[in-house]
Amino acid sequence: KAGVTQTPRYLIKTRGQQVTLSCSPISGHRSVSWYQQTPGQGLQFLFEYFSETQRNKGNFPGRFSGRQFSNSRSEMNVSTLELGDSALYLCASSLKTGKSQYFGPGTRLTVT
Amino acid sequence: KQEVTQIPAALSVPEGENLVLNCSFTDSAIYNLQWFRQDPGKGLTSLLLIQSSQREQTSGRLNASLDKSSGRSTLYIAASQPGDSATYLCAVEGTDKLIFGTGTRLQVFP
Repeated sequence: KAGVTQTPRYLIKTRGQQVTLSCSPISGHRSVSWYQQTPGQGLQFLFEYFSETQRNKGNFPGRFSGRQFSNSRSEMNVSTLELGDSALYLCASSLKTGKSQYFGPGTRLTVT
Repeated sequence: KQEVTQIPAALSVPEGENLVLNCSFTDSAIYNLQWFRQDPGKGLTSLLLIQSSQREQTSGRLNASLDKSSGRSTLYIAASQPGDSATYLCAVEGTDKLIFGTGTRLQVFP
């Protein structure tokens, strides 16, 4: 069974631009969560989607948004990029809350 | 607010040693606790998941225990190998989301 895939793997953007990251979960998994990882803040929860509905949201500004499609694939969007948005963005999928989460390789975003 | 702490932050040991990594959390109302491994620049690999009703889980040389009442978990690594070098993260899942600790960076030298 294929694992969680994320595209693109690396991205360089300029301040003020916007970016869209994509995540394809493991087949059959309906829950997709997004996390931001930085050296200073560690791993922080962004949001979780289940069956196309956002179930939970972390403490991030409204510039961070996401959605989930009917095939469970998910995208996250960051608008008006700031230097501090440079991070590794990780996506994880699971069958449902309380079950093991399986992480993708991440998208490394650099904002210049 | 759930807070997860891992001690030590870094550990360097010779090959063959048995290790204990510690994780503590402040809110015992959790669904489960998960241990992950992260190699530099990579995503996370799930190692063990302990449901809140369980006390421990084992996989190969790894054993994780959970004491919900005291808010503690330990990851025991037996007979460490250089390939075990990585950052180990614990995470607790509560009613809404997964909260991660800051990790223990482990280096096992030959």
